[in-house]
Amino acid sequence: QSVLTQPPSVSGAPRQRVTISCSGNSSNIVKNAVTWYQQVPGKAPKLLMYYDNLKTAGVSDRFSGSRSGTSASLAISGLQSEDEADYYCATWDDSLNGPVFGGGTKLTVL
Amino acid sequence: QVQLVESGGGVVPPGRSLRLSCTASRISFSNYALHWIRQAPGKGLEWVAVISSDGSDDYVAGSVKGRFTISRDNSKNMVYLQMNSLRIEDTAVYYCASRRGGFSGSGRTDYWGQGTSVTVSS
Repeated sequence: QSVLTQPPSVSGAPRQRVTISCSGNSSNIVKNAVTWYQQVPGKAPKLLMYYDNLKTAGVSDRFSGSRSGTSASLAISGLQSEDEADYYCATWDDSLNGPVFGGGTKLTVL
Repeated sequence: QVQLVESGGGVVPPGRSLRLSCTASRISFSNYALHWIRQAPGKGLEWVAVISSDGSDDYVAGSVKGRFTISRDNSKNMVYLQMNSLRIEDTAVYYCASRRGGFSGSGRTDYWGQGTSVTVSS
């Protein structure tokens, strides 16, 4: 059972917009910035977004992030087939005194 | 581009030990915190351990605490994960990851290796 809760899957048609939620609590998301990773099947994860909404170099402007209260979200607009991947949120948990992941969300582009 | 290469994975029976290694290139190694993150077959990511840039501080996940130890040798640009008393549930791909600076307060890692597979099976 992951400390951070994500929906197991989301889907959308090409050009649509989807959001992936990441729910935590007062020990983690409320106090600490959220990071998002993208993992294409068969590959290592890669850093997508950090400090809630800052994109790493080369990440499309179609990706955006936000954090409020005990939740964070990743939004992807103008869906493309290349966006199909697993997405993970991560942050620091003050109670565990360590970093934690969400369970991951599989994005399917219909 | 930073390159991380893991090694040391394999197939071992329950109760045995294994030591994973990760070498890093194209970075000022002693300025980077190093992480071990694993992914069981068909499952999500799990933080295993992280060590500070100078090796003075670390975090080890509760699921492996007392069995796994993280260490580093900055003179060799290497980080290690000593895994003792291995269990079937430790079967996973183990990734090495890095981030410049400290690790406390953040779930961010900037660079990842391709992973090394560990299978614990009788």
